[in-house]
Amino acid sequence: DTEVTQTPKHLVMGMTNKKSLKCEQHMGHRAMYWYKQKAKKPPELMFVYSYEKLSINESVPSRFSPECPNSSLLNLHLHALQPEDSALYLCASSQGGLPKGLNTGELFFGEGSRLTVL
Amino acid sequence: GESVGLHLPTLSVQEGDNSIINCAYSNSASDYFIWYKQESGKGPQFIIDIRSNMDKRQGQRVTVLLNKTVKHLSLQIAATQPGDSAVYFCAEKNSWGKLQFGAGTQVVVTP
Repeated sequence: DTEVTQTPKHLVMGMTNKKSLKCEQHMGHRAMYWYKQKAKKPPELMFVYSYEKLSINESVPSRFSPECPNSSLLNLHLHALQPEDSALYLCASSQGGLPKGLNTGELFFGEGSRLTVL
Repeated sequence: GESVGLHLPTLSVQEGDNSIINCAYSNSASDYFIWYKQESGKGPQFIIDIRSNMDKRQGQRVTVLLNKTVKHLSLQIAATQPGDSAVYFCAEKNSWGKLQFGAGTQVVVTP
């Protein structure tokens, strides 16, 4: 069983809706990640938080807004999404934090939130 | 740009045989590599990792080989079982902690 918990498991939303994806880990990890995965494709990095600060934004459109309220929680706020944003959104965490030079170790992934935008 | 890729998109293996999944990487500065297994409808699951100062690492029924000379990574699964059917991703991590995944190989275990 994964120790990274994501909710909801499934989400259907219209293009005008505002929704949020949530992620939680209690392993004391200092880095948390959002990945997007389309069918039959590898996960693509979206955001990285290290020590609760946004460290990496992979040029993600502003309709995706990440938030890290504390070291255990990571949210992804969704607004005015497009149908092509439909995908599996994966949260992950790792023990070490960034910046450069620190070995963060393996990433632990949650089961993902399956998002469908109508 | 730098990338990680796999040679075979689909691998069909008979139950009980050994599986070998290959991966090529192009970023010679990468110093940490991970293999993940992803079953349908689930998130990637860590299998085994290896650092660049090693050329071989063994786990339970799995072995990862790293050849830095030709920038090649492989995952060997011994005595493949039906539960091994999944997509396998190799991934490399740079010093910023960015994990870049290869394209993935679908492993299908046949009886």
